[in-house]
Amino acid sequence: QVQLVQSGAEVKKPGASVKVSCKASGYTFTSFGISWVRQAPGQGLEWMGWISAYNGNTNYAQKFQDRVTMTTDTSTSTAYMELRSLRSDDTAVYYCARQDQQWVDYWGQGTLVTVSS
Amino acid sequence: QSVLTQPPSVSGAPGQRVTVSCTGSSSNIGSVYDVHWYQQLPGRAPKLLIYVNSNRPSGVPDRFSGSKSGTSASLAITGLQAEDEADYYCQSYDSSLSAWVFGGGTKLTVL
Repeated sequence: QVQLVQSGAEVKKPGASVKVSCKASGYTFTSFGISWVRQAPGQGLEWMGWISAYNGNTNYAQKFQDRVTMTTDTSTSTAYMELRSLRSDDTAVYYCARQDQQWVDYWGQGTLVTVSS
Repeated sequence: QSVLTQPPSVSGAPGQRVTVSCTGSSSNIGSVYDVHWYQQLPGRAPKLLIYVNSNRPSGVPDRFSGSKSGTSASLAITGLQAEDEADYYCQSYDSSLSAWVFGGGTKLTVL
């Protein structure tokens, strides 16, 4: 069965960076993309961007363009999302999700990133 | 302010039918782009509920249905059950932003 298992919760100081991992199993990793979506406490879903696991092409939301990098390691079927220059309003649960065309069909369990001094 | 507009909340009694609307514009729903719906149970990751306007993934009960018309889309839930109490989000693509967009979410309360 398809599974996306994310790395554990992180606590970071303002200005630091965080790198969240997302290990996929149960399907051919390079046949789908990975989207990253975040959810601030009590708020809705916010799309951050997408990476093709086939060729590494990316499409970032303009809001995160300067601060985010998404990568994949096909040898381990793992996707990564790095967010730099963290601010308090980056505190959120970050989800990876398998992208099938223009929607996502499987989600990771989420990674809580807390930014606090 | 979300690009796709959803009502903050809807409610219904067990067995009733409720609908959740999702209103966009000519650069997203009103264009060629499809609408997808997700259900998020309390404390859980979202789950795909409807894709490409009206298609249900395997395992999603046929009590859930979706439609799209003009610049809006709707999610209908019939035979409401207590386990349907969750947040529901619509999602599409916006050509002006060159990005995926989500609605602000709708909290369904089963009375």
